[in-house]
Amino acid sequence: DGGITQSPKYLFRKEGQNVTLSCEQNLNHDAMYWYRQDPGQGLRLIYYSQIVNDFQKGDIAEGYSVSREKKESFPLTVTSAQKNPTAFYLCASSGAWTVGSYEQYFGPGTRLTVT
Amino acid sequence: GESVGLHLPTLSVQEGDNSIINCAYSNSASDYFIWYKQESGKGPQFIIDIRSNMDKRQGQRVTVLLNKTVKHLSLQIAATQPGDSAVYFCAENGVTGNQFYFGTGTSLTVIP
Repeated sequence: DGGITQSPKYLFRKEGQNVTLSCEQNLNHDAMYWYRQDPGQGLRLIYYSQIVNDFQKGDIAEGYSVSREKKESFPLTVTSAQKNPTAFYLCASSGAWTVGSYEQYFGPGTRLTVT
Repeated sequence: GESVGLHLPTLSVQEGDNSIINCAYSNSASDYFIWYKQESGKGPQFIIDIRSNMDKRQGQRVTVLLNKTVKHLSLQIAATQPGDSAVYFCAENGVTGNQFYFGTGTSLTVIP
């Protein structure tokens, strides 16, 4: 099946620890995204990547880091500098913007709880 | 920054009735809009999209209407079913055209 996978579905960490969330896609999409969703709120963009080895900050990048070493993978690290890391994290991918393939396909999400 | 808002945070409809979910967007430069459906604990699923050169687009049981004059978007669901219960988000591509801005969502509950 083609799609986007995120693992794990639930993640628990102690405050002060860095944690990396996995996102893999086999849709051959060029662009990938990370969003954060808090209860009762919409999606807020953390980082996005249009192409391998390139990524851009979104609206709430502070306390997060990403890498894009492979087209299929876009891991997100939540660092100890992120003040309120507990949230639902969503990864998405889309085709190349240059051909107008804007539609974003979402993974199932990872719920991170930091105590 | 961008703002995408929904007129109603919650909507309850009887099974079989039609549902209308509204969305106001703020950026007149946005030229692409998407409606997503999100079930509890899952990622959003694409429902339907529309480009700014269109006023209306129909899918299976769903219709999206775009009114650029008042910057308003709506999603109509025909013959609403219990499986339609979810949170619905609209999204616009904003100034840059390559980032999407999502509203807070409308929670739709279908009453059997």
